[in-house]
Amino acid sequence: DAGITQSPRYKITETGRQVTLMCHQTWSHSYMFWYRQDLGHGLRLIYYSAAADITDKGEVPDGYVVSRSKTENFPLTLESATRSQTSVYFCASSSLASADTAPYEQYFGPGTRLTVT
Amino acid sequence: AQRVTQPEKLLSVFKGAPVELKCNYSYSGSPELFWYVQYSRQRLQLLLRHISRESIKGFTADLNKGETSFHLKKPFAQEEDSAMYYCALKSHRKLIWGLGTSLAVNP
Repeated sequence: DAGITQSPRYKITETGRQVTLMCHQTWSHSYMFWYRQDLGHGLRLIYYSAAADITDKGEVPDGYVVSRSKTENFPLTLESATRSQTSVYFCASSSLASADTAPYEQYFGPGTRLTVT
Repeated sequence: AQRVTQPEKLLSVFKGAPVELKCNYSYSGSPELFWYVQYSRQRLQLLLRHISRESIKGFTADLNKGETSFHLKKPFAQEEDSAMYYCALKSHRKLIWGLGTSLAVNP
């Protein structure tokens, strides 16, 4: 009963390196989201996905790439990491329940603390 | 434009004092609002949603459409309430987030 997990939990990388953050959920939720959390900026949406093979940009997508070949996985890749991408990254998921019948909720992973040196 | 505003970055109160975390929103339509909480180094979790009209951990929040507000209230703050609180507005299948308010409850 893992729910939603993220790996790694902590990562230190160098500027210019490619980094992939993993997100896995066991609920078969349709929607998945990637956020970054920074002091003074709150939570900002990077990318989201409505289903396998369907992804869309959020508020701050530049420098990030996502894919979703399977419903349960939603990896986030920083193609060439920069210091400005030092942040805490949260993955979240939500079901495709109708807004009229079931309460909406996003479920969050534990976060990945990424430091780019 | 759809927006959520939390005017206070930091709120500091003493244990046993009442607490109110402010949230204002801008939305054309019938809003669906939430409060999420993040305790130190933990994941975000839903605290309450306005449609449920529930009280969780002593917190309540009432939607005021006239004032476009969804303030979070608790009559007697506890030290374990110290956390980051986010107000969020549902827009299609996404959430629009406020910047958060850090609540510190001092002994």
